[in-house]
Amino acid sequence: GESVGLHLPTLSVQEGDNSIINCAYSNSASDYFIWYKQESGKGPQFIIDIRSNMDKRQGQRVTVLLNKTVKHLSLQIAATQPGDSAVYFCAENIGGGGNKLTFGTGTQLKVEL
Amino acid sequence: GAVVSQHPSWVICKSGTSVKIECRSLDFQATTMFWYRQFPKQSLMLMATSNEGSKATYEQGVEKDKFLINHASLTLSTLTVTSAHPEDSSFYICSAVVQMGSPLHFGNGTRLTVT
Repeated sequence: GESVGLHLPTLSVQEGDNSIINCAYSNSASDYFIWYKQESGKGPQFIIDIRSNMDKRQGQRVTVLLNKTVKHLSLQIAATQPGDSAVYFCAENIGGGGNKLTFGTGTQLKVEL
Repeated sequence: GAVVSQHPSWVICKSGTSVKIECRSLDFQATTMFWYRQFPKQSLMLMATSNEGSKATYEQGVEKDKFLINHASLTLSTLTVTSAHPEDSSFYICSAVVQMGSPLHFGNGTRLTVT
């Protein structure tokens, strides 16, 4: 039968604009955070990561901001392109040396021409 | 580098049969791999941690006798869905890490449809 799933939040942006995708994480003990991009029918693709001793990290066209006070993470994509259309997930890792990740619910980014 | 390959990419099977999904790390050795499950429009849910040479660690609510995991080598983990039922239809994704504390790299997933 049909599964009852969540409706992914959707962010629609115009090509060339900047995108900001937000994520609230749950565990104050999390010390490592990753943003993944998932295109339809594919596995998640690593975008950028940040550790809890930082509050900002920049990559190519992407910036991740971490606010530990309110347990909030954001991904900023500059000059959004059609190829950026995908679902974006934040993931958190609780310290201890392991790599078990807990994923957020995801945000669908749609880039309009 | 850090390529994770899954096979098959999709599979259709009849209810009651078993299906094996392979996850390989192509250019690195992975002592630990992770298996996730994803329903449409939903997030990834961790099923189990696959440890080379030892038993897998399953998350709460995941039946270890139904989802058999074998990690016999440093580059291969397999997930076998036994006695599959339509509710097992899902997208199964594996991941591996080059070294602890570094990002997980994911395979491209296996779409399982049980009829």
